[in-house]
Amino acid sequence: DAKTTQPPSMDCAEGRAANLPCNHSTISGNEYVYWYRQIHSQGPQYIIHGLKNNETNEMASLIITEDRKSSTLILPHATLRDTAVYYCIVRGNTGTASKLTFGTGTRLQVTL
Amino acid sequence: EAQVTQNPRYLITVTGKKLTVTCSQNMNHEYMSWYRQDPGLGLRQIYYSMNVEVTDKGDVPEGYKVSRKEKRNFPLILESPSPNQTSLYFCASSAVRPRHEQYFGPGTRLTVT
Repeated sequence: DAKTTQPPSMDCAEGRAANLPCNHSTISGNEYVYWYRQIHSQGPQYIIHGLKNNETNEMASLIITEDRKSSTLILPHATLRDTAVYYCIVRGNTGTASKLTFGTGTRLQVTL
Repeated sequence: EAQVTQNPRYLITVTGKKLTVTCSQNMNHEYMSWYRQDPGLGLRQIYYSMNVEVTDKGDVPEGYKVSRKEKRNFPLILESPSPNQTSLYFCASSAVRPRHEQYFGPGTRLTVT
């Protein structure tokens, strides 16, 4: 699986959009970009994933660059409850489930 | 409610005393997995199971055993716990297809003295 690089920490004001970047310059053609988050020491929570098109769901949007070497997770209106560590994970999607390789992630602090 | 449950949530034990951490999911998922999380090392996979009676080692299997006799349950067994197994443990499950995002349990904090 390709390696990812994320900033160690970011701050965001409540109500503003939080844009979390991720570099994955060695991603291969069949690898997807997944985002998970972990609030305090709870179990990680799936947010969104995509291959090459931008994706949106009720939690967030995922913007993947055309060359697929980087992506941005967007929380459109961050709240205090979005304070968490966010993990960007690149993984093949061969049709069978497999492990997730978590890096160190980005610690997002949402403030008043 | 779809969920992964783990028990116990907190456990303090002594070196060498066998213990089992249970994991159960109610989503009929084929895939189940155990991770441990340690400061500075992130989450690392211990064992996983693709279906009933099918288990395999992850990245850090030493000192652990698992079994998958039923689809919903995937217990983690520490036959002779040691202090270096003090960690936060997470069980996860997912469908094999189509999306197979993983659902995680709430975690079990284990301390071995």
